[in-house]
Amino acid sequence: AQSVTQLDSQVPVFEEAPVELRCNYSSSVSVYLFWYVQYPNQGLQLLLKYLSGSTLVKGINGFEAEFNKSQTSFHLRKPSVHISDTAEYFCAVSSTNAGKSTFGDGTTLTVKP
Amino acid sequence: DAGITQSPRHKVTETGTPVTLRCHQTENHRYMYWYRQDPGHGLRLIHYSYGVKDTDKGEVSDGYSVSRSKTEDFLLTLESATSSQTSVYFCAIRGTSGGETYEQYFGPGTRLTVT
Repeated sequence: AQSVTQLDSQVPVFEEAPVELRCNYSSSVSVYLFWYVQYPNQGLQLLLKYLSGSTLVKGINGFEAEFNKSQTSFHLRKPSVHISDTAEYFCAVSSTNAGKSTFGDGTTLTVKP
Repeated sequence: DAGITQSPRHKVTETGTPVTLRCHQTENHRYMYWYRQDPGHGLRLIHYSYGVKDTDKGEVSDGYSVSRSKTEDFLLTLESATSSQTSVYFCAIRGTSGGETYEQYFGPGTRLTVT
């Protein structure tokens, strides 16, 4: 069984400030990790993914995430946010031997001017 | 764009009626998924399919059934709709044709209201 915990349900930040959205996971087997973004009234879009290799992965829109196996974390970061980054962000985990993913409950990022 | 469409996009129905939502993909992906999204619960998997006529239950499958008679179509049926099934339903596919990439691509969603 696997699970995902997004540690913050809401994160308010000012424009041009750095942000970190935290994600911890639990799994008894090797995993793949993902971050998705959802803008209002839309489906989810992939931001970035970790499958293997370098633990620092870069995604679209200037976001990056670091896989930390010892802490079972996959935190999402951006050094300087824009108003347009306001959205809901979901962390997801997929076991390497399974066909389905488990999603966290989401973090609402609100960027204020 | 993974070529995923959902129909209808919005539906209002009465308690006790059957409802079928359709997900259609154009790129021959093997895996397809149905999720529901509710405030505070993220996305919860209802059912998924790993091939034609091959389906399995997710974490919230009670009251729902699915069918996949063709690669491109994955149908979700609420056998007798209840108010607790008011939600936004998302279809998703996994991977790319000819290779496994594991990320999922989502349709635009169906907003279902059961009165």
